[in-house]
Amino acid sequence: AQKVTQAQTEISVVEKEDVTLDCVYETRDTTYYLFWYKQPPSGELVFLIRRNSFDEQNEISGRYSWNFQKSTSSFNFTITASQVVDSAVYFCALLSTSGTYKYIFGTGTRLKVLA
Amino acid sequence: GAVVSQHPSRVICKSGTSVKIECRSLDFQATTMFWYRQFPKQSLMLMATSNEGSKATYEQGVEKDKFLINHASLTLSTLTVTSAHPEDSSFYICSATRGGTQETQYFGPGTRLLVL
Repeated sequence: AQKVTQAQTEISVVEKEDVTLDCVYETRDTTYYLFWYKQPPSGELVFLIRRNSFDEQNEISGRYSWNFQKSTSSFNFTITASQVVDSAVYFCALLSTSGTYKYIFGTGTRLKVLA
Repeated sequence: GAVVSQHPSRVICKSGTSVKIECRSLDFQATTMFWYRQFPKQSLMLMATSNEGSKATYEQGVEKDKFLINHASLTLSTLTVTSAHPEDSSFYICSATRGGTQETQYFGPGTRLLVL
């Protein structure tokens, strides 16, 4: 079975704090892709990152960083020095390469960054 | 970039009328487009996958006669909610990929539908 779990429903931090959003996935595929999307209050999902199952290198993009660990089936997302503009719902998604090639979304984590 | 637009962004209609939502890929050709529905404070629910020139594939539980999907060109897919009822009120989001279903999905800004 394919599944994505984002156990943190809502997180509140004060501006400039670091925050990590957790994502744990389940799949039997050897080849798969993982994604993070940001959904600000406007509603549009903004693509942040795509990672394939064979690339476990961590990635950093500005204040954003991602930690992919196959051993724990996790793909966590850290925002360093958070800003109010980071307030949004963040979705983690899994794309399986077997079967129907559909995104499996987590339930999302609502991040509130307080000034 | 990969820009996807949706029109209208917001629509209010009376019960029983039909509403058409357009999804366009602006700077790339989208062989595959997806339609999702999102209820408040919930995740996205896939409704259907559409490939240009062929019939859409609907998810289990989604009425194909209720939600008509047309993917007539490589840059346009439309979702028509037929005979809309208040329970159809929701946020509808489309996405598109440059290649097939294994590619990254780029999402449109969404359409808020309110059926009175």
